Amino acid sequence: DTAVSQTPKYLVTQMGNDKSIKCEQNLGHDTMYWYKQDSKKFLKIMFSYNNKELIINETVPNRFSPKSPDKAHLNLHINSLELGDSAVYFCASSQGVGANVLTFGAGSRLTVL
Amino acid sequence: DAKTTQPTSMDCAEGRAANLPCNHSTISGNEYVYWYRQIHSQGPQYIIHGLKNNETNEMASLIITEDRKSSTLILPHATLRDTAVYYCIVRVGGGSEKLVFGKGTKLTVNP
Repeated sequence: DTAVSQTPKYLVTQMGNDKSIKCEQNLGHDTMYWYKQDSKKFLKIMFSYNNKELIINETVPNRFSPKSPDKAHLNLHINSLELGDSAVYFCASSQGVGANVLTFGAGSRLTVL
Repeated sequence: DAKTTQPTSMDCAEGRAANLPCNHSTISGNEYVYWYRQIHSQGPQYIIHGLKNNETNEMASLIITEDRKSSTLILPHATLRDTAVYYCIVRVGGGSEKLVFGKGTKLTVNP
């Protein structure tokens, strides 16, 4: 019954590899987000999609490519992983772009060695 | 950039009320005050939001000063499960402005 589910929960990989994190929501929301929380615990938005269309792109490097096959899914693909990409990535969803309430997933911890 | 100022950390005894302050002296007339919290190893969780009137729900109460330059989140009977980082955020309601998280307040509820 998880509302926003992310897979995998943990991901350990080598520098230079390409990896993906998947996100699915069963809330019927039309807007989805990716947030990054670094080692200093700052939570920053990366992307926002509304009905599969990109709404927010916070000057994230081109190595990060979100893909939204439908409004219930927003996957994050990262190319040529770097040490600085190590973080916890949170997916979230809401109904509407200007929604007050975002529902977050449990997070995916990415460790780049 | 976060538009709020919160204490870095606070402690509270279990069963007592936890009062978490937030300063937002530059808040605009159309900006709401939102509170989220993040329990360790979990994603952020919405708690409550308000514009100028005090608000209450099953989780907490939000008290906003008359000049709207500060607010207080009240957890009436804190439990150990309320130990978390609490984020106060100001944002235009219904707009396309993104949700910006600051450093928050680490609340520790002690037995």
